[in-house]
Amino acid sequence: EPEVTQTPSHQVTQMGQEVILRCVPISNHLYFYWYRQILGQKVEFLVSFYNNEISEKSEIFDDQFSVERPDGSNFTLKIRSTKLEDSAMYFCASRADRSGNEKLFFGSGTQLSVL
Amino acid sequence: QKEVEQDPGPLSVPEGAIVSLNCTYSNSAFQYFMWYRQYSRKGPELLMYTYSSGNKEDGRFTAQVDKSSKYISLFIRDSQPSDSATYLCATNNAGNMLTFGGGTRLMVKP
Repeated sequence: EPEVTQTPSHQVTQMGQEVILRCVPISNHLYFYWYRQILGQKVEFLVSFYNNEISEKSEIFDDQFSVERPDGSNFTLKIRSTKLEDSAMYFCASRADRSGNEKLFFGSGTQLSVL
Repeated sequence: QKEVEQDPGPLSVPEGAIVSLNCTYSNSAFQYFMWYRQYSRKGPELLMYTYSSGNKEDGRFTAQVDKSSKYISLFIRDSQPSDSATYLCATNNAGNMLTFGGGTRLMVKP
């Protein structure tokens, strides 16, 4: 069964450092997302991406965050200068481009720890 | 008022019991309703997906939506220890971001 793949599973970084989280969405999907979940809290939307541009973003997704689809298969989330409060599980998700199909499939996540 | 609310649990039941998990939502514009299962430190896994009010059944799982009262339910029949996880309800408008509830932790004891 096709799945969303995320690497690395765990990333440890120092405050102020840049990190790039990587995702390979399901191959025939066209909508891509990043969500995050701080330990013990709700899964929160960060950003959605379609046709090589951001289609929607939340207040969390400030200038320190950026997303990119550098080739036909990868989708990345970059945090330019990490803060302690960026520590969370980051989930990539994808959705097929089919009218009325709102099924969103998630990867297993990257646990980001900012020290 | 929070947009999607769930009782956090934990909900502990014996194996074989019928489990009822519930969510309420506040935004009447929400059209699509999903239930995800999340094991510890894993990504949400889509269990059920529905658009209209009424029931939708898939094996041991039944999703129920009542748009008039903004109430979403998930029923699990013949619950198994492997069903022990956190269950997240989620909802959205067409094409927009998912809004999640906080999740209900379920423990099924053998």
